[in-house]
Amino acid sequence: DTTVKQNPRYKLARVGKPVNLICSQTMNHDTMYWYQKKPNQAPKLLLFYYDKILNREADTFEKFQSSRPNNSFCSLYIGSAGLEYSAMYLCASSRGGLGPLNQDTQYFGPGTRLLVL
Amino acid sequence: GDSVTQTEGLVTLTEGLPVMLNCTYQTIYSNAFLFWYVHYLNESPWLLLRSSTDNKRTEHQGFHATLHKSSSSFHLQKSSAQLSDSALYYCALSDRGTQVVGQLTFGSGTRLQVYA
Repeated sequence: DTTVKQNPRYKLARVGKPVNLICSQTMNHDTMYWYQKKPNQAPKLLLFYYDKILNREADTFEKFQSSRPNNSFCSLYIGSAGLEYSAMYLCASSRGGLGPLNQDTQYFGPGTRLLVL
Repeated sequence: GDSVTQTEGLVTLTEGLPVMLNCTYQTIYSNAFLFWYVHYLNESPWLLLRSSTDNKRTEHQGFHATLHKSSSSFHLQKSSAQLSDSALYYCALSDRGTQVVGQLTFGSGTRLQVYA
């Protein structure tokens, strides 16, 4: 089973309110990623967990938080949503670390479409 | 840093015609992995092709691509487009560099629309 699940699929949030998005995978992958995708733009990596270690991109460091309570789950948290957070949020997982080629393959979830009003 | 360029935002084709989606990349590392992901509406993006071997053709589901390190290109091709090929296609780059995990750098995507 190569399924990555995301909840909710659609989220409507008010400006200034928190948002919590959930991702899960059952492939025992070491690494889980969160991307932000806006129309006509490339998916942008926000952060990733390699095992229990969180790595956040420099330009999104203060805007997004994440937790990984166990290997299967990873959340993306926005403390105070702004209009600019409206986007599709894609979660992905892969087997990280040095090794064979196939460890770089990322498996994606269907995404959560967030609309901030 | 790394970058991936997909020059066409939209490609429209009549069914049966050949497909070619362009992808070029920039990286300072020689051990680059190149990927094509396909994203159908309301579905998860999934891996179509990948390669790290120079000048070797990679094929899957009728599509093929050859990584050319000399020109930093990884164009996606298919001999005959089908209606079901209509989707968003992303080219992506991963390099080990000094990182433990391979982070993906995506191109902006090319939407392929095939008409009957």
